[in-house]
Amino acid sequence: NAGVTQTPKFRILKIGQSMTLQCAQDMNHNYMYWYRQDPGMGLKLIYYSVGAGITDKGEVPNGYNVSRSTTEDFPLRLELAAPSQTSVYFCASIEGHGNSPLHFGNGTRLTVT
Amino acid sequence: AQKITQTQPGMFVQEKEAVTLDCTYDTSDPSYGLFWYKQPSSGEMIFLIYQGSYDQQNATEGRYSLNFQKARKSANLVISASQLGDSAMYFCAMREVSSGGSYIPTFGRGTSLIVHP
Repeated sequence: NAGVTQTPKFRILKIGQSMTLQCAQDMNHNYMYWYRQDPGMGLKLIYYSVGAGITDKGEVPNGYNVSRSTTEDFPLRLELAAPSQTSVYFCASIEGHGNSPLHFGNGTRLTVT
Repeated sequence: AQKITQTQPGMFVQEKEAVTLDCTYDTSDPSYGLFWYKQPSSGEMIFLIYQGSYDQQNATEGRYSLNFQKARKSANLVISASQLGDSAMYFCAMREVSSGGSYIPTFGRGTSLIVHP
C-alpha cells in the first residue's frame, strides 16, 4: 500500500501565482485533512473532509480551497500565492473510528517569493 | 486559547536515560483521544502512542508510555532508555468530535528532543 501520497515534494512560487497540491490515499479512508506546519507553531488545520463531496474549513482556511470529488483524492488549491503561505503542507487521513491515528503524506515544502 | 499546550520548546537527555515530554489539553468533549507523533529531521510524521479519554490504564508501546492524568488534563509522553535516534520533534495531538460529529485532530507546538551520547 502506498498510504498517503503528496505531490510535489518541493515548489517555489512567485507572489500571485496559483497551484494545486495533490493528495491521494489508497486506504479507503473517509476523513482527510490538510495541515500547514510553520516553525515553532505546530500543525494548523486548513481544511478537512469527511467524505466525497463534503468539505469544511479548519483553523486557517483563508487563501486556500479544496475539493473532494472522490474518496481517494483531496487536492488543496492556492490562489494568488502570498509569502505568508510559505510553509510545509501535510495531507493526512484516518479511518472512521476515533482511536485511529493520522496517516500522513511526506509533505510539500512550498516557498512563495 | 490553545487546546494543546506543550511548554517545553526544547529538551536534552543523556543516552539511555528516561525523559518526559509534557502535554496539557483543554476540551469539553467527554470522548476525546490523545496522540503523540514523532517528526525526525527528515520531516515525516510518525505515530507513537494513543490514549482514549475513557481508558483506565496508561497506554504503553515499547519504550513509549503515556502518563495520563485526566483530572489534571495532562498526557505526558515518557520515553525510557533514550536512544540517539529519538532525537526529533515530538507533537502532542488531541482528537475531538465537532458539533457536526466530525473528528478534528488539533496539535500542540511541539517539543524538540536532543539525545546526547
